[in-house]
Amino acid sequence: GENVEQHPSTLSVQEGDSAVIKCTYSDSASNYFPWYKQELGKRPQLIIDIRSNVGEKKDQRIAVTLNKTTKHFSLHITETQPEDSAVYFCAANLGGKLIFGQGTELSVKP
Amino acid sequence: NAGVTQTPKFQVLKTGQSMTLQCAQDMNHNSMYWYRQDPGMGLRLIYYSASEGTTDKGEVPNGYNVSRLNKREFSLRLESAAPSQTSVYFCASSEGPTTEAFFGQGTRLTVV
Repeated sequence: GENVEQHPSTLSVQEGDSAVIKCTYSDSASNYFPWYKQELGKRPQLIIDIRSNVGEKKDQRIAVTLNKTTKHFSLHITETQPEDSAVYFCAANLGGKLIFGQGTELSVKP
Repeated sequence: NAGVTQTPKFQVLKTGQSMTLQCAQDMNHNSMYWYRQDPGMGLRLIYYSASEGTTDKGEVPNGYNVSRLNKREFSLRLESAAPSQTSVYFCASSEGPTTEAFFGQGTRLTVV
């Protein structure tokens, strides 16, 4: 069926280190891959997205990569800060619907 | 410009009771979604509406019904609430399936 798998479920890093979250998707026709950040008690908000005609996209300390052949995409956060602590979700449009991964709880320790 | 507005924010139901969660967006978006969020399960799609007058099942539609009343409003109905439906419910909207989705503030529902 249509699904998005996300790993790891929890990730703890020291401030200043890098963090990487990985996702896979099932539908080779998917062409849109957003990443959302959800702070405690808040709604999810888009932080970056990538489309299938692009292999990599950067926005300051955040970058996303996409490999259409293997159906993998990843979020990279460099120089992590305590305010990066949150739950991060990957998503993909599968069959016209926006399907989310299970989420990664990132903890950045000062 | 309020974005996506959900009501109510909190609700406690008894098993077997029914209720409707309301969602409205003022961004003239075509697509609207209902998700539920449970610990360790991420955001799971309940129902989806690509445009006014159309609805489609998502990953977990059982026990729910939806109505796309017009372009602005997309409601979610629980006909006979069960404890397994205790969750945080999010409504979202986007121009289409390949554009940014904006979320409402969520409804925390407890079924006892």
